[in-house]
Amino acid sequence: RKEVEQDPGPFNVPEGATVAFNCTYSNSASQSFFWYRQDCRKEPKLLMSVYSSGNEDGRFTAQLNRASQYISLLIRDSKLSDSATYLCAVRLNDYKLSFGAGTTVTVRA
Amino acid sequence: DARVTQTPRHKVTEMGQEVTMRCQPILGHNTVFWYRQTMMQGLELLAYFRNRAPLDDSGMPKDRFSAEMPDATLATLKIQPSEPRDSAVYFCASGLGRGAENYEQYFGPGTRLTVT
Repeated sequence: RKEVEQDPGPFNVPEGATVAFNCTYSNSASQSFFWYRQDCRKEPKLLMSVYSSGNEDGRFTAQLNRASQYISLLIRDSKLSDSATYLCAVRLNDYKLSFGAGTTVTVRA
Repeated sequence: DARVTQTPRHKVTEMGQEVTMRCQPILGHNTVFWYRQTMMQGLELLAYFRNRAPLDDSGMPKDRFSAEMPDATLATLKIQPSEPRDSAVYFCASGLGRGAENYEQYFGPGTRLTVT
């Protein structure tokens, strides 16, 4: 079983819609969680760190569910510019992150 | 705007040649990571350093890959000899790596390597 798994999608949503997707992790001792955004042929860019209480940054909301071992990302009022691949990352211990394969989101006009 | 920089951005080389990729981490960051990304395998950690000391290189093919940090502002990844299966995008990332919540990593633009 992979350490971090994501639904590859694609999630095709109209502009203005809400889209949400999850990322599951296998090790219950995982300590830190992140969402990255990656545009085609670009580097991953940190979108949000995910805190145990959940956190929100504008139209983006991240949640952590330790009992079921997943993190979620919700995007409200989707913009065309939100089209990207969203990678989740999980830190077990020390400094290493394990990345999921990514979820592709396409927002259409 | 502090950023991780990487050179070269693109590299095309022939099988058997040596390839050297360079990374300048964000000033003040003391953890540096090398990743490789391919369509098939996704983002894989090759090696990482803390305070210039290698902490883990278990993801790296030892026979042909080597990673070093000659100083705090430069990390290098070498492949010798290169093979077509090494074709990938190689990312460097850096982070502060201290404090309970400060494990965020920031990526450079990557080196797109093609080995023919």
